[in-house]
Amino acid sequence: NAGVTQTPKFQVLKTGQSMTLQCAQDMNHNSMYWYRQDPGMGLRLIYYSASEGTTDKGEVPNGYNVSRLNKREFSLRLESAAPSQTSVYFCASSEPGQGAGYEQYFGPGTRLTVT
Amino acid sequence: EDQVTQSPEALRLQEGESSSLNCSYTVSGLRGLFWYRQDPGKGPEFLFTLYSAGEEKEKERLKATLTKKESFLHITAPKPEDSATYLCAVVHGSGNTGKLIFGQGTTLQVKP
Repeated sequence: NAGVTQTPKFQVLKTGQSMTLQCAQDMNHNSMYWYRQDPGMGLRLIYYSASEGTTDKGEVPNGYNVSRLNKREFSLRLESAAPSQTSVYFCASSEPGQGAGYEQYFGPGTRLTVT
Repeated sequence: EDQVTQSPEALRLQEGESSSLNCSYTVSGLRGLFWYRQDPGKGPEFLFTLYSAGEEKEKERLKATLTKKESFLHITAPKPEDSATYLCAVVHGSGNTGKLIFGQGTTLQVKP
């Protein structure tokens, strides 16, 4: 099992360019999440999808959009990149249920630089 | 407001020198506290889940404990390969969204 995979691993964009970060999981999890991690700020939730067909905003959604393509895949789109979106992006998945399953499993991350 | 605070921010130990990392939390009805290890350039790796005060979990040189207000990650006789950032998180919000709120992390360096 690959767990959670993310593509690309690295990306450099110019201000105003757009791109989509891809995430896939093979653990049959219902819930998926996108985070950004910045020095001194910890992990912050951008968007999440509690189940296939649903998406909701997290703590820092501005400038991003998401698509839950199917149960396995959850993509994050930057429509018009800004230098403030320079960060490391992580995708995660979990299977929250009756009092258990809340632990999230993370992908390896995408390092994005916007110049 | 749900909150997670970790201390210290950074910790340097000599190989074999045992110590503890702290995670203080404020949440309405704890539904799980999690410890993760993150190596540079990698994603967080799940270590432990704790659900109720008094619970303990162990893995090699790591032992996680939980009280009603905080959790400790005890590292016994650490080795250089234990060097990493350790993150703590709690389940956040209502329902089964599975959202977690993370602390800032403690960066541990173990010198040989």
